[in-house]
Amino acid sequence: QLQLQESGPGLVKPSETLSLTCTVSGGSLSCLNYFCYWGWVRQPPGKGLEWIGSVFYRGTAYYNPSLRSRVTITADTSKNQISLRLASVTAADTAVYYCARLYSSTWSLDYWGQGTLVTVSS
Amino acid sequence: QSALTQPASVSGSPGQSITIFCTGTTSDVGDYDHVSWYQHHPAKVPKLIIYDVTNRPSGVSGRFSGSKSASTASLTISGLQTEDEAEYYCTSYSNRGTLAVFGTGTKVTVL
Repeated sequence: QLQLQESGPGLVKPSETLSLTCTVSGGSLSCLNYFCYWGWVRQPPGKGLEWIGSVFYRGTAYYNPSLRSRVTITADTSKNQISLRLASVTAADTAVYYCARLYSSTWSLDYWGQGTLVTVSS
Repeated sequence: QSALTQPASVSGSPGQSITIFCTGTTSDVGDYDHVSWYQHHPAKVPKLIIYDVTNRPSGVSGRFSGSKSASTASLTISGLQTEDEAEYYCTSYSNRGTLAVFGTGTKVTVL
């Protein structure tokens, strides 16, 4: 059974860089016989889910235009991990961050991590 | 890139049917049959309940059904139950370089 687990600091200071890692177990980032991407989704308190972006295991990344100037998503196949970096954070970046698998046959997010709360505060 | 448009809230009584609409454009919903729906209970992980417009993953209740017409997709919940009270989000493949776009979310209330 595929499992995803987010990890990283729960508190980040304003103007600094938020860094999270998602470790994938029970399967490979390459998804072996089919294509899949790995993505990040966030939910600020009291607001809806927001698509941050995704990465193919070979490294090609796709970002939400509203965050593109500040976000970097990478894949490390040797560790079976994907990473999220969000620069110059403000209080508006406080959210629960989820990693998820984007299955390209259906373009649906079929496996999700439990999510991790990141608070931006001094 | 604009999010897909959903009504902020929909409500119904137990046993009734409700429908949630998700409106996009020809860059997403209108040109691709890769619309998915997710159920999200507070403090829980979002759950995929519909993919490719009409398909249900294994284990998802048959009370959930999806359809699409032009650039608007819809999710119908039949025989509404108290456990259906949650936020519902649509997503679609997008050809604008982001791969996916989310809907604005709909809060379903069971009266």
